[in-house]
Amino acid sequence: EIVLTQSPGTLSLSPGERATLSCRASQSVSIYLAWFHQKPGQAPRLLIYGASSRATGIPDRFSGSGSGTDFTLTISRLEPEDFAVYYCQQYSGSQITFGQGTRLEIK
Amino acid sequence: QVQLVESGGGLVKPGGSLRLSCAASGFTFSDHYMSWIRQAPGRGLEWVAYIGSSDTYTEYTDSVKGRFTISRDNAKNSLYLQMNSLRAEDTAIYYCARDGGLGAARTDYWGQGTLVTVSS
Repeated sequence: EIVLTQSPGTLSLSPGERATLSCRASQSVSIYLAWFHQKPGQAPRLLIYGASSRATGIPDRFSGSGSGTDFTLTISRLEPEDFAVYYCQQYSGSQITFGQGTRLEIK
Repeated sequence: QVQLVESGGGLVKPGGSLRLSCAASGFTFSDHYMSWIRQAPGRGLEWVAYIGSSDTYTEYTDSVKGRFTISRDNAKNSLYLQMNSLRAEDTAIYYCARDGGLGAARTDYWGQGTLVTVSS
C-alpha cells in the first residue's frame, strides 16, 4: 500500500496570505495525485488531479505541482471559503489511498 | 449536471448486513468506473471498493475483502455496496464517487454520503 504523508497537520493563516501544503508518497505515484478539500458536513470536493490540472470550476488561485513522491498544493491568496481540511489522494495503481489531511484554519 | 445520491445507511448490529445504493444521473453511467469511499466520524478518508464499467472488474481494500461486495446495474444507473459481517470499525459515512475516465481524476464527483452505524 502506498502511504501518503501530509504536512503540516494544521496550518494557521489569514485571508489574503499564501498557503503551501505538502504531500509525500512512500513510493513513486508519477503524476497520479489529486487534491481535495472538505468543509464540515460536506463531501470532499476535487481541486486538482494529475498533480497539476485544476478541476472544473476551481479558481486559478489553486495550483498543484510535483511528480514522483513529492507534491505541493498552493493557494495564492486565501479567501474565507478556503478554510477547510485538505486531502491528497494517489491513484497510481488499482488501490487508492489518501493522506491524513491538513487542517487550514483562520489565524 | 452530475449527481450521485446515496441511500440505505442506518443503524445495524455487529455481524449484521446492510446494502447501500447510489443513484447516478447527469452522465452516461455505464461509461464510468465507480468507487465507494468511507469516512469514520472525525477521521480521514478511506477508499473501500472500485468497480469497472461492468461487474467483471472489482477491487477492495483489505479490511473489507470477503465481507463487502460492490456491484452495479447500468440499466438502473445504480451502484451498490452489499456489506455483510459488519463490525464497529465499519461505522462511517459512505460516499460513492465517479471515475472521470482516462486522463481524468479517479474520483471526480462525489455524493453527499450515507451514514452507517454499527453498534449493539
